[in-house]
Amino acid sequence: DAGVTQSPTHLIKTRGQQVTLRCSPKSGHDTVSWYQQALGQGPQFIFQYYEEEERQRGNFPDRFSGHQFPNYSSELNVNALLLGDSALYLCASSLAAATLSNEQYFGPGTRLTVT
Amino acid sequence: AQSVTQLDSQVPVFEEAPVELRCNYSSSVSVYLFWYVQYPNQGLQLLLKYLSGSTLVESINGFEAEFNKSQTSFHLRKPSVHISDTAEYFCAVSVPRGGYNKLIFGAGTRLAVHP
Repeated sequence: DAGVTQSPTHLIKTRGQQVTLRCSPKSGHDTVSWYQQALGQGPQFIFQYYEEEERQRGNFPDRFSGHQFPNYSSELNVNALLLGDSALYLCASSLAAATLSNEQYFGPGTRLTVT
Repeated sequence: AQSVTQLDSQVPVFEEAPVELRCNYSSSVSVYLFWYVQYPNQGLQLLLKYLSGSTLVESINGFEAEFNKSQTSFHLRKPSVHISDTAEYFCAVSVPRGGYNKLIFGAGTRLAVHP
């Protein structure tokens, strides 16, 4: 049973560029959440997708956008990159119906460096 | 709004000694509580969780945490640590909202186990 996978593992971009990160959820999961983890900090919630719609959003600007596909995989897009966007981006998947267990499974992350 | 405070950024300890990693949270509503562990260059792994019922929860590798509602705490303990426990530990809360279960993390505690 494959867990949550993310691609690419590392990425280097220049200020002002755009980036797309990808996530495949754990088999059987239908909800994908994205988190940003800056160096030395805890993960910060960006947004969550379910049924191809954004259901919740954290305190991130509109430069951060996402998409969920019919197969439940997801993309995170960041436009007009800033140096402060350098971070580990984590994807987590869960099952919406499993509200009692409320457990999110995390991928290994994508390390984004903006120069 | 909810917040999580991890009182120690770093905890050095010798192998086979006991350890406690402290976590306090703030919330005006009931929350679920989690401890995640992050090994170097990896994503987050769920260590244990409190949803309801017994206030003492245990993991399969010897960690335990106790939910204390009056003190709004969820401290993590292990009676005897191993070198392999060296990692970053994150306390997190989520508010039960159907399938929409974003996690709010603390800043993390780096546990360093020395021989």
